[in-house]
Amino acid sequence: EPEVTQTPSHQVTQMGQEVILRCVPISNHLYFYWYRQILGQKVEFLVSFYNNEISEKSEIFDDQFSVERPDGSNFTLKIRSTKLEDSAMYFCASRGLNQPQHFGDGTRLSIL
Amino acid sequence: DAKTTQPTSMDCAEGRAANLPCNHSTISGNEYVYWYRQIHSQGPQYIIHGLKNNETNEMASLIITEDRKSSTLILPHATLRDTAVYYCIVRVSTGGTSYGKLTFGQGTILTVHP
Repeated sequence: EPEVTQTPSHQVTQMGQEVILRCVPISNHLYFYWYRQILGQKVEFLVSFYNNEISEKSEIFDDQFSVERPDGSNFTLKIRSTKLEDSAMYFCASRGLNQPQHFGDGTRLSIL
Repeated sequence: DAKTTQPTSMDCAEGRAANLPCNHSTISGNEYVYWYRQIHSQGPQYIIHGLKNNETNEMASLIITEDRKSSTLILPHATLRDTAVYYCIVRVSTGGTSYGKLTFGQGTILTVHP
């Protein structure tokens, strides 16, 4: 069964550094998402992406965040200058037309 | 998207049916009921969704009341591996201008015990 894959599984970064989280959505899916989950808290929506542009974003997704689909298979989330409070699990999801979202197993981001 | 209310936690014996309730009294006509679960340290896993008819797949059954104000997710023969947080999410159809973000609540912690 096709699945969303995310790399790396765990990323440790110094505060103030840039980090890129990578996702390979399910092939033929058209809609792409990033969510995050701070330890012990709810899963929170960050951004949705369709047709090579952001379609919706939350208040969390400020100027420090960006997303990109650099080629036909990858979908990335970049945090320009990381803060301690960016420490969380980051989940990528994708879906096809009129289909439910399928999630990857996440990247644990630890900011030191 | 309409708000949902779920019990904080539930227990179930292995091999028995697990019935997880969800209230969504403000649901509107074009909103679907989605169920996801999250097993520790993993990403949310899609289970099932429905609009007004009952639905069944290889994982579970979804029973939606006639007035659509509540629903029940049924795991017919729970196993230890079904221990997880279960999320009931109500959202509009993915057609039109909706790009489909999901709003997660706290969910129900289901513990299946031997």
